[in-house]
Amino acid sequence: QVTLKESGPVLVKPTETLTLTCTVSGFSLSNARMGVSWIRQPPGKALEWLAHILSNDEETYSPTLKSRLSISKDTSKSQVVLTMTNMDPVDTATYFCVRMNSETYPSLLDYWGQGTLVTVSS
Amino acid sequence: SSEMTQPPSVSVSPGQTASITCSGDDLGNKYVSWYQQRPGQSPALVIYRDDNRPSGIPERFSGSNSGNTATLTISGTQPMDEADYYCQAWDRSTVMFGGGTKLTVL
Repeated sequence: QVTLKESGPVLVKPTETLTLTCTVSGFSLSNARMGVSWIRQPPGKALEWLAHILSNDEETYSPTLKSRLSISKDTSKSQVVLTMTNMDPVDTATYFCVRMNSETYPSLLDYWGQGTLVTVSS
Repeated sequence: SSEMTQPPSVSVSPGQTASITCSGDDLGNKYVSWYQQRPGQSPALVIYRDDNRPSGIPERFSGSNSGNTATLTISGTQPMDEADYYCQAWDRSTVMFGGGTKLTVL
């Protein structure tokens, strides 16, 4: 059974750095066909892809947010970590971690975590 | 990167056919996936590679993609299909989402 669970602060202040952790189970982060994406959704708004990381540690970022994002993984802990610097109230959103399955082409975003709501406010 | 445009809302009567479009430059040359997001829930994949259904997705869900437009079709729409729907495609190594369509079944 594949599961992904996001954890991190529910409230951050403007200018602070957000660190979110995704803990996965049911698949291995060392599986060559699996990766993890982070996707966010402001309240009442659309989905926005942020970044992903592959089994070989290859990282890809949204061009519009690249300067603020960093993604990494700890395979032994089955965790993927996303950091976003210089948080602003417009970054208030539910943040999802999502499995990226490359067993088909193109990769599928086939399992989603429940999401974690992060509010940016002083 | 390319943009993908969806109508903000679509309404359909129960039992009728709902069509949700997703438009983008040369979209027909990309593979499109569709996600359903019910209120308060995470998105769920309902169509991948334009017209394929994951295991467990009802046959009433189908997809097509040609030219600049991909379409999600729900035949015999049920009240439980009321949700937000998002199209998604890859642009090189990055992920693109459409703006989402709220499907109302009334």
